[in-house]
Amino acid sequence: AQSVTQLDSQVPVFEEAPVELRCNYSSSVSVYLFWYVQYPNQGLQLLLKYLSGSTLVKGINGFEAEFNKSQTSFHLRKPSVHISDTAEYFCAVSESGNTGKLIFGQGTTLQVKP
Amino acid sequence: DTEVTQTPKHLVMGMTNKKSLKCEQHMGHRAMYWYKQKAKKPPELMFVYSYEKLSINESVPSRFSPECPNSSLLNLHLHALQPEDSALYLCASSQDTGKTQYFGPGTRLLVL
Repeated sequence: AQSVTQLDSQVPVFEEAPVELRCNYSSSVSVYLFWYVQYPNQGLQLLLKYLSGSTLVKGINGFEAEFNKSQTSFHLRKPSVHISDTAEYFCAVSESGNTGKLIFGQGTTLQVKP
Repeated sequence: DTEVTQTPKHLVMGMTNKKSLKCEQHMGHRAMYWYKQKAKKPPELMFVYSYEKLSINESVPSRFSPECPNSSLLNLHLHALQPEDSALYLCASSQDTGKTQYFGPGTRLLVL
């Protein structure tokens, strides 16, 4: 069965510092990978996705992620964070077989401090 | 445009009430989803509709009843809910099952 592990439940960081949110997945087949962001009292917004092709994926708001098949990882990075990046971040993998199921990690709370 | 709209934004209901949540998209997507999200947790899938037919029901209690009247609209009918059903209910849509899902802003439900 597929699963997603977000290794950090909370990541505190100062404004303008770089950040990495870690995500590992387990799957024996090809997968689609996603990062979503959820601001307080809002729905989920797609940050970026990996479907195929280049392993470095650029998303909105200056975020990027790198797909590493050998390490089954899809870590999210931003070189310089802003206060407005404070939110919950979810990594997700699309279940094989095109069922429509997304398997989410438990989420990482990014807390950007001034 | 990747907008999914949901109404109402907030809903308070008693355990004997009947209410409905509404979700709409005009992106031509043929798959639509209902999720339930508790505080500090990831969304949990409830239902998947594909081409207006229910394709997945994740063993959701019958007090939740989904309906897909047409390809743009998805409803969730609520009846005799319990306080533990209080949560954020999220709707999503995608071009087809297995494709990228786009989420609405959610309906925050409180059951008293």
